[in-house]
Formats: sequence, C-alpha cells, structure tokens
Amino acid sequence: NAGVTQTPKFQVLKTGQSMTLQCAQDMNHEYMSWYRQDPGMGLRLIHYSVGAGITDQGEVPNGYNVSRSTTEDFPLRLLSAAPSQTSVYFCASRKANEQFFGPGTRLTVL
Amino acid sequence: DAKTTQPPSMDCAEGRAANLPCNHSTISGNEYVYWYRQIHSQGPQYIIHGLKNNETNEMASLIITEDRKSSTLILPHATLRDTAVYYCIVRRNTNAGKSTFGDGTTLTVKP
Repeated sequence: NAGVTQTPKFQVLKTGQSMTLQCAQDMNHEYMSWYRQDPGMGLRLIHYSVGAGITDQGEVPNGYNVSRSTTEDFPLRLLSAAPSQTSVYFCASRKANEQFFGPGTRLTVL
Repeated sequence: DAKTTQPPSMDCAEGRAANLPCNHSTISGNEYVYWYRQIHSQGPQYIIHGLKNNETNEMASLIITEDRKSSTLILPHATLRDTAVYYCIVRRNTNAGKSTFGDGTTLTVKP
C-alpha cells in the first residue's frame, strides 16, 4: 500500500491564484481530513469527510473548498490564494482508531 | 469534541521515563483519548489510545485518571529519537468523530 499520498510537495503561488492540492489513499478509509500547520504551531482542521459525497467544515474552513467524489480522493481547493494561506498542508485518512498522515505540501503565497 | 490542555514544552534525560500530561476536563463519556507525535516536519504518527483503562503498547503507556479528566503518556526509556511534538486529542471512536489537534507538547530528550 502507498498509504496517503499528496501532490505537489512544494508550491509557490501569487496572491489571487487558484490551485488544488491533491490527496489520495489506497486503504479504503472512509474518514479523510485536511489540516494546515503554520510555523511553530499545531495542526488546525480545515475540512473533513466521513465518506464519499459527505464533507464538513473544521476549525479554519474559510478560503478552502473540498469535495469527495470517491473514497480514495479528497482534493483541497484554494480559490483565490492569500499570503495568510502560506502553510504546510497535511492530508490524513483514518480507520477506527489510527489516523495516517501524508508527507505534506509546503505552500507559499507571495 | 472536548478540548485538551498540554504544557508547551518539557525536557527529559535520555534513558529516563518521559511523562507527558494532558488535561481534558470536559471529556464526554463516549470520547476516547488519543496520542500522536510529530517528528520534525513529518506528518503526525499515532502512538496509543484509551477510553478509561490504562493501556500499553510497544511504544508507550497511557494512564487515564479515574474521573477521566486527565491522562499521562509515558515513554518508559526515552531516547534522542523521541524528541518530537506530542499531541493529546479526544474524540468519539466512530467514523464521524472529527480529530482536532491543539499545539501539543514539545518534548526534548537530552543526552
């Protein structure tokens, strides 16, 4: 199993640009989520999904959209990037007790 | 979901036990306590979880107080590789239980 994969690993955007962070898992997990981690801070939940077709907001959803059309994929969309969205983004999937994290995407918005 | 409180940082001597506390005074009866750790800039890694009984695995032990309002993660013989940020979270043990992380405790193991 590849586990949780994220692409790209690094990205630089200009203010106002849009992009999609990709996340995929091959463990058939129903629960998936996106977090952001600012320097020196903990993880904050952006959006999560408990299964295909079902998504919900986390602690810091503003500026981000998600969709879950398949069990495997959970993309995160930035519609109009802002410097405040400069962060490391982690995707995770979970079975009942253990959450598995991807390697992260390091995003810089200029 | 209940919120947790952890000290921002702790030190531990190599080879000694590291005891990391967590307060979760508003925990509900159906919420479990989970511990994760994050080394450098990697994604967090699951360590252990429990409901009310003490738990032990190959990585650590989890001690939950009888009133369930606090818990302690114990690394019995800390090594330099245990230097990391440790997160305590509480959530329902269902597919719908969302996982929110606080700022965690930065544990530094010193030689």
